[in-house]
Amino acid sequence: NAGVTQTPKFQVLKTGQSMTLQCAQDMNHNSMYWYRQDPGMGLRLIYYSASEGTTDKGEVPNGYNVSRLNKREFSLRLESAAPSQTSVYFCASSPTRSAEAFFGQGTRLTVV
Amino acid sequence: AQSVTQPDIHITVSEGASLELRCNYSYGATPYLFWYVQSPGQGLQLLLKYFSGDTLVQGIKGFEAEFKRSQSSFNLRKPSVHWSDAAEYFCAVGGLTGGGNKLTFGTGTQLKVEL
Repeated sequence: NAGVTQTPKFQVLKTGQSMTLQCAQDMNHNSMYWYRQDPGMGLRLIYYSASEGTTDKGEVPNGYNVSRLNKREFSLRLESAAPSQTSVYFCASSPTRSAEAFFGQGTRLTVV
Repeated sequence: AQSVTQPDIHITVSEGASLELRCNYSYGATPYLFWYVQSPGQGLQLLLKYFSGDTLVQGIKGFEAEFKRSQSSFNLRKPSVHWSDAAEYFCAVGGLTGGGNKLTFGTGTQLKVEL
């Protein structure tokens, strides 16, 4: 039972480069989320998708774009990476409007 | 706006001692409340959750939490801590804006267990 799978697990980018973080869940969940985790700041919501075909901004969306490719997959794109985007990124999914979120193992991104 | 405050950044307890991690929340309606645990280099694992009903909820690994509406608190407790409980603990409150369960997290409490 894979749950939520994120790729890659580690990535180093140069300032200005672009990349896409991939996330897939096999639990048939409707909602999916992207969070970033920074020391002393907890997890902050970047974007979320309440259901297939919809996406909405979270707390810190600037510099990011997302695509809900289908019910399983939700990708996060950095068009022009900046050092301030150095962080650990977590994808999560939840089955219903009121259920808890299930998290992937994270992607550790460093922008130099 | 919803928010969560975890006032203790670091806590150190001796193995076998009791534990209480504090969490205060701000939310305009009945909150959905969660505690997650994160081991180094790992994702977040759900310990327990409160949606409604009994205000004392039991979770995995012997943890429990009590919802106190009058104090806007959801403190996590464990009667006897094990060395393997050393990790970072996050409290979160859920909101249903836009149909999704948008979780707002606290800044976390790092637990150290002394043998």
